[in-house]
Amino acid sequence: DARVTQTPRHKVTEMGQEVTMRCQPILGHNTVFWYRQTMMQGLELLAYFRNRAPLDDSGMPKDRFSAEMPDATLATLKIQPSEPRDSAVYFCASGETGWGSYNSPLHFGNGTRLTVT
Amino acid sequence: QKEVEQDPGPLSVPEGAIVSLNCTYSNSAFQYFMWYRQYSRKGPELLMYTYSSGNKEDGRFTAQVDKSSKYISLFIRDSQPSDSATYLCAMTGSNDYKLSFGAGTTVTVRA
Repeated sequence: DARVTQTPRHKVTEMGQEVTMRCQPILGHNTVFWYRQTMMQGLELLAYFRNRAPLDDSGMPKDRFSAEMPDATLATLKIQPSEPRDSAVYFCASGETGWGSYNSPLHFGNGTRLTVT
Repeated sequence: QKEVEQDPGPLSVPEGAIVSLNCTYSNSAFQYFMWYRQYSRKGPELLMYTYSSGNKEDGRFTAQVDKSSKYISLFIRDSQPSDSATYLCAMTGSNDYKLSFGAGTTVTVRA
C-alpha cells in the first residue's frame, strides 16, 4: 500500500532555529502539496508543485518559508528563522496528473507536528 | 470571510444515529467536491467525491451537492464508534488544482 512519508513526525525547536521538514511522495505522483493545519485556521495551502516546478506558493510567508523539490522523490519545507506562531501540523500530499478524479485522489502523509518554543 | 465555511462542531451522537454535516462556499467556480476523514494524529483520507451537483451514495455514506445554493452535505447512516473522526469538506474548480478545505467538524459516536 503506497504511502506519502513525512519526516520527522514531531519536532520541538526554539524560536529562531531552522526547521526542515521532508516528504517522500508516492512513486509516480507528479503533484505535491504542502498544507499547514492549526485549530484556528484549519488546513491552509502553503505550496503546490507539479513535475517538481512550483506552481503556487502564495500561501507561504516568503520571508521565512521556502519549499523545494530537489528530485522527484523528495520535497522539503524549510522555516528560517522559526517563530512560535509557526507551531502547527504540516502535511504533505501527492497525486497523479488529474488527481481530482475519484480513482486518483490526493494522498496525505501523517504530518510533521512542529512546536516552536 | 472564508471561501469554504464549515461548522467545527463538535458533534456527539449515539451509535446508530444519522450524522449530518454540511459546508457552504462562495466560489461559483468550484465543481469538484470531496469529503475527507481525518483520524486523530493522521492525515486526511478521501471519503467521498462528487462532481458538480447531485447525490452520491457509498455504503452508509451519502454526499449531496447543491450548486445553486452553494451547499454540500455528508450523511452517515447507522453511525459507528469507528466513524469518530474529523470530517473536512474540500472543493476545487479544476480536477488538477489546489483544494480549498473547510475547517473540519469533529464527530464522536458514543457506543
